[in-house]
Amino acid sequence: GENVEQHPSTLSVQEGDSAVIKCTYSDSASNYFPWYKQELGKRPQLIIDIRSNVGEKKDQRIAVTLNKTAKHFSLHITETQPEDSAVYFCAASGTGGFKTIFGAGTRLFVKA
Amino acid sequence: EAQVTQNPRYLITVTGKKLTVTCSQNMNHEYMSWYRQDPGLGLRQIYYSMNVEVTDKGDVPEGYKVSRKEKRNFPLILESPSPNQTSLYFCASSIQGRSYNEQFFGPGTRLTVL
Repeated sequence: GENVEQHPSTLSVQEGDSAVIKCTYSDSASNYFPWYKQELGKRPQLIIDIRSNVGEKKDQRIAVTLNKTAKHFSLHITETQPEDSAVYFCAASGTGGFKTIFGAGTRLFVKA
Repeated sequence: EAQVTQNPRYLITVTGKKLTVTCSQNMNHEYMSWYRQDPGLGLRQIYYSMNVEVTDKGDVPEGYKVSRKEKRNFPLILESPSPNQTSLYFCASSIQGRSYNEQFFGPGTRLTVL
């Protein structure tokens, strides 16, 4: 079946460094790739998303890249801060329906 | 305030005792969905609804039922809960039911089945 693989499962960086989280999806019909951030004990919230007709999108310190040929997309966080510490989920959905497949999540620790 | 609400927030029950987790949104969203979150498995979609009276299975629908009689409400029903349904459940909604719109999540319901 369709799946989304996310790596790494845990990532620890020093404050100010960059963090990169990578996802691979299997359904070639996927055309929307959101990233959600979930702080401890809270609900997931969208931080950035990208559609299949765009290769890269940036919002301040956060950027997402998409390679449709390789079925890869990545989240890049620059100048990390302690408040970036959270679990990050990638996801993929497509026009064939409204199923959304999430990756297993990456726990990011930013050390001050 | 625009929001998705879930009730109850916490529930401990016993095997076989039917329960319902309610979900309501006040944003006039057409699309609603239920997920369960388990350690190491991320969020897995249980059921989703594209509009009133239109529902479909997600990846893990076994043991769950849903209904969408009104646009704002999307209850999750466990007819005969089992311990493997112990999990954190999230309801989410999205505008216009398009696949490329942000999903807004409820606060979550932590369910324990003994």
